[in-house]
Amino acid sequence: EDKVVQSPLSLVVHEGDTVTLNCSYEVTNFRSLLWYKQEKKAPTFLFMLTSSGIEKKSGRLSSILDKKELFSILNITATQTGDSAVYLCAVEADDKIIFGKGTRLHILP
Amino acid sequence: NAGVTQTPKFRILKIGQSMTLQCTQDMNHNYMYWYRQDPGMGLKLIYYSVGAGITDKGEVPNGYNVSRSTTEDFPLRLELAAPSQTSVYFCASRRDYTEAFFGQGTRLTVV
Repeated sequence: EDKVVQSPLSLVVHEGDTVTLNCSYEVTNFRSLLWYKQEKKAPTFLFMLTSSGIEKKSGRLSSILDKKELFSILNITATQTGDSAVYLCAVEADDKIIFGKGTRLHILP
Repeated sequence: NAGVTQTPKFRILKIGQSMTLQCTQDMNHNYMYWYRQDPGMGLKLIYYSVGAGITDKGEVPNGYNVSRSTTEDFPLRLELAAPSQTSVYFCASRRDYTEAFFGQGTRLTVV
């Protein structure tokens, strides 16, 4: 059975801190790993990773994939209150996209 | 471009009623997906489709049905609604090797 596990499930930090969110997976026929941010409504796309060791970066957010160890991390540096959201990790495998439970991140001012 | 459009946005159903959640996309995407999201949880895959005429079960298909007669439309049918189907439903679509784009969701309550 395909599985995507995120940790921690919940995280509270102060503005300016750096956070690392984790995602591990066990799937057949892996194609890509995706990160999404979800505030009150639909998830919005952050990154798509297909190759090991190549960091994707967008402003204060970055992500990397390790296909040998079957995990990915999402880093957010210099966090801001606007980063408060649920961060979802998903894996594309065999035409399906399977999501983890998400990490609920709360940034204190 | 409207992207992925879901209707209705909100619905209250009585136990045992049926309804269809509509999803349409105007991006000519071949893949389409239906998910449900319960409070505080991630998204669970209900059904998916790789193209017109082809559908397949996801993680939680029981109590639902889908059809894909055109590339644009992927309706989700609930037969005999149950309280356990109270959830937020998201439709998504994508092309090969790209991210999935989501509709704004349908909040369904079964009472």
